[in-house]
Amino acid sequence: EAGVTQFPSHSVIEKGQTVTLRCDPISGHDNLYWYRRVMGKEIKFLLHFVKESKQDESGMPNNRFLAERTGGTYSTLKVQPAELEDSGVYFCASSQGNQDYGYTFGSGTRLTVV
Amino acid sequence: QKEVEQNSGPLSVPEGAIASLNCTYSDRVSQSFFWYRQYSGKSPELIMSIYSNGDKEDGRFTAQLNKASQYVSLLIRDSQPSDSATYLCAVNKRSSASKIIFGSGTRLSIRP
Repeated sequence: EAGVTQFPSHSVIEKGQTVTLRCDPISGHDNLYWYRRVMGKEIKFLLHFVKESKQDESGMPNNRFLAERTGGTYSTLKVQPAELEDSGVYFCASSQGNQDYGYTFGSGTRLTVV
Repeated sequence: QKEVEQNSGPLSVPEGAIASLNCTYSDRVSQSFFWYRQYSGKSPELIMSIYSNGDKEDGRFTAQLNKASQYVSLLIRDSQPSDSATYLCAVNKRSSASKIIFGSGTRLSIRP
């Protein structure tokens, strides 16, 4: 079984540019989550999809962040325009049904905004 | 007050000894508790989950939960150098959406 796949693994962009991160969850996992870890801080929740619907987007920092999951398969997280404080590691995770069993995380995308 | 609190460490433990990692959480209605291990530059990996008071053992790992004290711990017996990592405590808050809330992690170092 393939794990959660994230692309790219690293991205360096200039302030004001746009970046799109992609996550492919484990096949059949309806739940998809985006988290972010900025330097020295804890992993923070961004949002949760159930299939193609946004179940909870309370963690999205502001309207520069847009997440989509068309068709309920892979998801994208777009940051436009990027700011310096957006730098960090963006993790995607997925789970099947009852999330009481925890998530499977992808390897993350390290975003650096310069 | 953070929702999930952990001592950031580093916690240094000699090889072969027991490593004890602690975590407290603020929301009494929390139902599910997890320990993740994260090696430097890697993704978090689920190693233990616990849902009811008491101990849960899996190999060298034992998770302990005390809901009255809002306290979760992880014991690692016969610590190995490969156990050196950051250990993240995480809590599922059933009171809100199904997101898991993470602590900031405790860095564990096993010295040979």
